[in-house]
Amino acid sequence: GQQVMQIPQYQHVQEGEDFTTYCNSSTTLSNIQWYKQRPGGHPVFLIQLVKSGEVKKQKRLTFQFGEAKKNSSLHITATQTTDVGTYFCAVSNTGKLIFGQGTTLQVKP
Amino acid sequence: NAGVTQTPKFQVLKTGQSMTLQCAQDMNHEYMSWYRQDPGMGLRLIHYSVGAGITDQGEVPNGYNVSRSTTEDFPLRLLSAAPSQTSVYFCASKRRRNHQETQYFGPGTRLLVL
Repeated sequence: GQQVMQIPQYQHVQEGEDFTTYCNSSTTLSNIQWYKQRPGGHPVFLIQLVKSGEVKKQKRLTFQFGEAKKNSSLHITATQTTDVGTYFCAVSNTGKLIFGQGTTLQVKP
Repeated sequence: NAGVTQTPKFQVLKTGQSMTLQCAQDMNHEYMSWYRQDPGMGLRLIHYSVGAGITDQGEVPNGYNVSRSTTEDFPLRLLSAAPSQTSVYFCASKRRRNHQETQYFGPGTRLLVL
């Protein structure tokens, strides 16, 4: 079945440093979604990427979809304490949405 | 709109007991699904439904049953609870608009099986 690997599992950064999480698949993806889950909360949809090589920005967050549509990344510039949480990528497979293991970000003020 | 609602928020069961986790959405979404979340395991799909009367298995369906008699409701039944089913359970619903698929999650149910 469809699987997606997400790295790293954990990341500790100093406030103001950058952060990147990566998602990799062995098969070509039709699209990829990113979610954020705050501690104790539920996942919240951030964005969906569909096109090969697509780059989308949301304020300090930059999302990229690889040219081969097999990988994606989420980059946060100048992290803030409000960025704390777990970031998940998710891929669609015949109506099912399969999630990566997530990257948990901790930010030291 | 209330979005996706789940009840109860917390539940403690004894091994062998059965219970139903409720999920409802008022957004007229066709797709609904159940996930469980365990530390270090991310979100794993239990069962999903593409519309009323249609359900299918996800990655970890054993020990769980679902039904979808209406568009709004998608209950998850634990037939005979086991300690391995201690987890946080999330229900989600999805719309599809202009080829964009946006999934909305409920607040979750924390289940402890003793």
